[in-house]
Amino acid sequence: DAKTTQPNSMESNEEEPVHLPCNHSTISGTDYIHWYRQLPSQGPEYVIHGLTSNVNNRMASLAIAEDRKSSTLILHRATLRDAAVYYCILRREYGNKLVFGAGTILRVKS
Amino acid sequence: DVKVTQSSRYLVKRTGEKVFLECVQDMDHENMFWYRQDPGLGLRLIYFSYDVKMKEKGDIPEGYSVSREKKERFSLILESASTNQTSMYLCASSLFGRTSNTEAFFGQGTRLTVV
Repeated sequence: DAKTTQPNSMESNEEEPVHLPCNHSTISGTDYIHWYRQLPSQGPEYVIHGLTSNVNNRMASLAIAEDRKSSTLILHRATLRDAAVYYCILRREYGNKLVFGAGTILRVKS
Repeated sequence: DVKVTQSSRYLVKRTGEKVFLECVQDMDHENMFWYRQDPGLGLRLIYFSYDVKMKEKGDIPEGYSVSREKKERFSLILESASTNQTSMYLCASSLFGRTSNTEAFFGQGTRLTVV
């Protein structure tokens, strides 16, 4: 399985945008890029996913590099409720496995 | 509202006991997963199942087994619990097939302590 690399932790100010990077240099053509987050004392929750094009939803935006070797999760205006561990995961088109890495701890300051 | 329900939020068991962790989903999902989460080690996949009676080992299956007799239920079994199995256990489910439609949903977790 292709691996992802994320910074251990990041810090942001409330109301400011946050850009969470993920490197996946060994990504294959059929790998989708998924992002999940885990709030304190909760199970992970889905945030967004994409294949080649940038994606937007009500929670976040996903920017995917042209060569697909990296991606960035964008939270447009961080709130205290966005403080969580964010996981970047690669998942095959018909793959069933969902394997998590260490993730990035996002701290949001008021 | 979609739901993955784990039978217990907190569980305390003795070393050597046989432990069953139950997970039920109401979304008619084919895939179900069991993870454990430990500080500094993140979420690690123990087993997953993509159909009734089908299972595949994840990254850390040793000391665990699973059972999937019905589509909605996936059980994790610790045949003889040991203290190093003290952990947070998380269950998840997702649809099978193209990952464009296979967002995974997680339960709230079971914190198991083996004494």
